[in-house]
Amino acid sequence: QVQLQESGPGLVQPSQTLSLSCSVSGGSTSSSSYYWSWIRQPAGKGLEWVGRVYPDGSTNYSPSLKSRLTMSADTSKSQFSLKLTSVTAADTAIYFCTRSELYWGQGILVTVSS
Amino acid sequence: DVVLTQSPLSLPVTLGQPASISCRSSQSLVHSGGDTYLHWFQQRPGQSPRRLVHQVSNRDSGVPDRFRGSGSGTDFTLHISRVEAEDVGIYYCMQGTHWPPTFGQGTKVEIK
Repeated sequence: QVQLQESGPGLVQPSQTLSLSCSVSGGSTSSSSYYWSWIRQPAGKGLEWVGRVYPDGSTNYSPSLKSRLTMSADTSKSQFSLKLTSVTAADTAIYFCTRSELYWGQGILVTVSS
Repeated sequence: DVVLTQSPLSLPVTLGQPASISCRSSQSLVHSGGDTYLHWFQQRPGQSPRRLVHQVSNRDSGVPDRFRGSGSGTDFTLHISRVEAEDVGIYYCMQGTHWPPTFGQGTKVEIK
């Protein structure tokens, strides 16, 4: 059974960089059949697709976040990561990592506040 | 971006009765390759979303057969044949045909 687990700081200061990792177990992270995505959800609100990374390192980002977003994959460690720069309160949300939106992590709440 | 409009936004249902959720797209979701990338997700209270249906009508593994997806082009529906207590939650449609992927605003299903 594929399992994903997000990790990272729960509190980030405004204008700083939000860095999250997702650890994958129970399945291959190198298969080109899948991609690894991040989706976020502000408290009490709907889902927003953030971006995705393929095992070969190619990426696709939401246009609204593209200038601030970097995603990468380390298949040797079964991990993939997200970095979002210059964060504001609007980036406060639960961040989910997924495998092709079929398998999801439990989510990690990230609050942007001083 | 493609806008997905779900209706209703709130759906009180009686246990054992059917329910339907509509998802309408601002443009056709038929990909140039012929497939339609419209998916449905369930998010129970306090849980991560779970995909129920992919590409309009394909139930994911382990999803009860009381859930059925249908539709084409711009109009799609998630049907629940007989609502059970465990079906309470928020349901989202999502399109992956056009960049960037987008979600509907969600439909909250509750028991009357």
